[in-house]
Amino acid sequence: DVQMTQSPSSVSASVGDRVTITCRASQGISTWLAWYQQKPGKAPKLLISAASSLQSGVPSRFSGSGSGTDFTLTINGLQPEDFATYYCQQASSFPYTFGQGTKLEIK
Amino acid sequence: QVQLVQSGAEVKKPGASVKVSCKASGYTFTSYSINWVRQAPGQGPEWMGWISSYNGNTNYAPKFQGRVTMSTDTSTTTAYMELRSLTSDDIAVYYCATDRGMSDSNGYQDYWGQGTLVTVSS
Repeated sequence: DVQMTQSPSSVSASVGDRVTITCRASQGISTWLAWYQQKPGKAPKLLISAASSLQSGVPSRFSGSGSGTDFTLTINGLQPEDFATYYCQQASSFPYTFGQGTKLEIK
Repeated sequence: QVQLVQSGAEVKKPGASVKVSCKASGYTFTSYSINWVRQAPGQGPEWMGWISSYNGNTNYAPKFQGRVTMSTDTSTTTAYMELRSLTSDDIAVYYCATDRGMSDSNGYQDYWGQGTLVTVSS
């Protein structure tokens, strides 16, 4: 199985800040990577697929980059609604695997 | 609009089975496949498996192989996930999610159901 490791596990930031979350795969996955946002009691929401392709309706302050084993999710100009937990997921091979999550908290 | 509506919360005894349903609407059912993902309390999501609504092909995570069965009913546009031999380790919210692949998975879960809480308790 491909192991996905996210860092940091939590981060505190203020409205308007820029935040970067990283995700590392245990083996190369090309750009077969997704980012999800999850708020308490809700299902995950797909933000980005194919490492950098923003889903329809997702604000442009979200961006993704990377290929191979190292990926980043960047949020420019944090908004109050962005405080949530973020997960990466590899879509390169079965079984699909998720990172352990990064909780983005208000400073 | 695409909508996935799951069945209600379940309480099961250890050793029992649970079958969760996922009613799809707002798209041609056989055009998208379905993934099942679970999330234990305080944990991250865990992918359980995938089924093509087009041809019924499945792929199960090794952890669940032999204990899970995924199926679809195209006449009612409903997907099902049955998990057997339940233990306390299976306490989780179970989600269905669409996958834009038809006969093959594309790996990305874009529309999600609301989740079904499964509790295992004697």
